[in-house]
Amino acid sequence: DAKTTQPTSMDCAEGRAANLPCNHSTISGNEYVYWYRQIHSQGPQYIIHGLKNNETNEMASLIITEDRKSSTLILPHATLRDTAVYYCIVRVMDSSYKLIFGSGTRLLVRP
Amino acid sequence: GAGVSQSPSNKVTEKGKDVELRCDPISGHTALYWYRQSLGQGLEFLIYFQGNSAPDKSGLPSDRFSAERTGGSVSTLTIQRTQQEDSAVYLCASSLRYEQYFGPGTRLTVT
Repeated sequence: DAKTTQPTSMDCAEGRAANLPCNHSTISGNEYVYWYRQIHSQGPQYIIHGLKNNETNEMASLIITEDRKSSTLILPHATLRDTAVYYCIVRVMDSSYKLIFGSGTRLLVRP
Repeated sequence: GAGVSQSPSNKVTEKGKDVELRCDPISGHTALYWYRQSLGQGLEFLIYFQGNSAPDKSGLPSDRFSAERTGGSVSTLTIQRTQQEDSAVYLCASSLRYEQYFGPGTRLTVT
């Protein structure tokens, strides 16, 4: 699986958009970009995934650059409950395969 | 519906004792994973079960660690002769398609 690079930490104001970047310059053609988050003392939670098109669901939007070497997770209206560690993971689309977690980005949403 | 459940939620054991950690996956999920997270560290893959296939044990740190999955459902992770470095949160996840659902974890403390 391709390696990802994320900033160690970020912060944003409550109600504003949180934009979390991820670099995955060695991504292969059959690898998807996944995002999970881990709120303190809880298990990780799936957020969204995509291949090359931008994706949106009830939690977030995922913007993938045309060359697929980077992506951005967008939380459109961050709340205090979005404070968590966000993990960007690149993996092949196999419905059942291990996740390789990096160190993630610690997002702090300020009141 | 019910999510992934794990028991016990907390376990304190003495060095050298054996422990068993239990995971009840979401009903119908064919894949089951074990991860661990040491204090201040990222999530580390341990083992993966998929249906009746041989499990992927590539993440098990030593032969003191073993796991089984009975009847394609409940799984038990066993750690023999526990050591202090085994202290961590052990997380179980299950999946049917592309997203993994994590349980709340078992916090293991070896004294």
